[in-house]
Amino acid sequence: GEDVEQSLFLSVREGDSSVINCTYTDSSSTYLYWYKQEPGAGLQLLTYIFSNMDMKQDQRLTVLLNKKDKHLSLRIADTQTGDSAIYFCAERAGGYQKVTFGTGTKLQVIP
Amino acid sequence: DAGVTQSPTHLIKTRGQQVTLRCSPKSGHDTVSWYQQALGQGPQFIFQYYEEEERQRGNFPDRFSGHQFPNYSSELNVNALLLGDSALYLCASSLGIPGTGGYTFGSGTRLTVV
Repeated sequence: GEDVEQSLFLSVREGDSSVINCTYTDSSSTYLYWYKQEPGAGLQLLTYIFSNMDMKQDQRLTVLLNKKDKHLSLRIADTQTGDSAIYFCAERAGGYQKVTFGTGTKLQVIP
Repeated sequence: DAGVTQSPTHLIKTRGQQVTLRCSPKSGHDTVSWYQQALGQGPQFIFQYYEEEERQRGNFPDRFSGHQFPNYSSELNVNALLLGDSALYLCASSLGIPGTGGYTFGSGTRLTVV
């Protein structure tokens, strides 16, 4: 079955780059997503990458996908205090309607 | 343009009781998925509704049931509540199977079972 794993915590200084990593198990994944959750709120879609892509850039966000190693990463350039939140990696496997989420990485940005 | 609306925002119930949570999807969306998010965990898939039918179900007992109405809104029902059902319940909507647009999430219903 599908399984998505992330490290639990990341701390960076304001202005530095943040890199959040994720591994998944289902090789039939079609879409991979990054979501952000702020305290007391639902999840907000940040970006996605389709499985036939290696990289996607969207303003300060860069997503890298290594299909061979089933590894996904999210790089946030010039990290700001407003980026402090929990970040979830998620996948939608081929043939399934559901999206499977990881355990989340809490990003702490130190001023 | 209204996003996903969930009600109520908070709820306290006693063990053994039943609860109904409600969700109105984002305008233009026809598919509703429900997730359970325990404290400190990622969202766990409960089920997904499309065209008023349950299309896929996660690993949740039959105490969890749902419904989708002709206007695409949805309800999640949980019977015989257990303490372990305490969680944030998230409703997510999409146009069909999530693709490039992913899901749009509501802010959730915080259920506390005492």
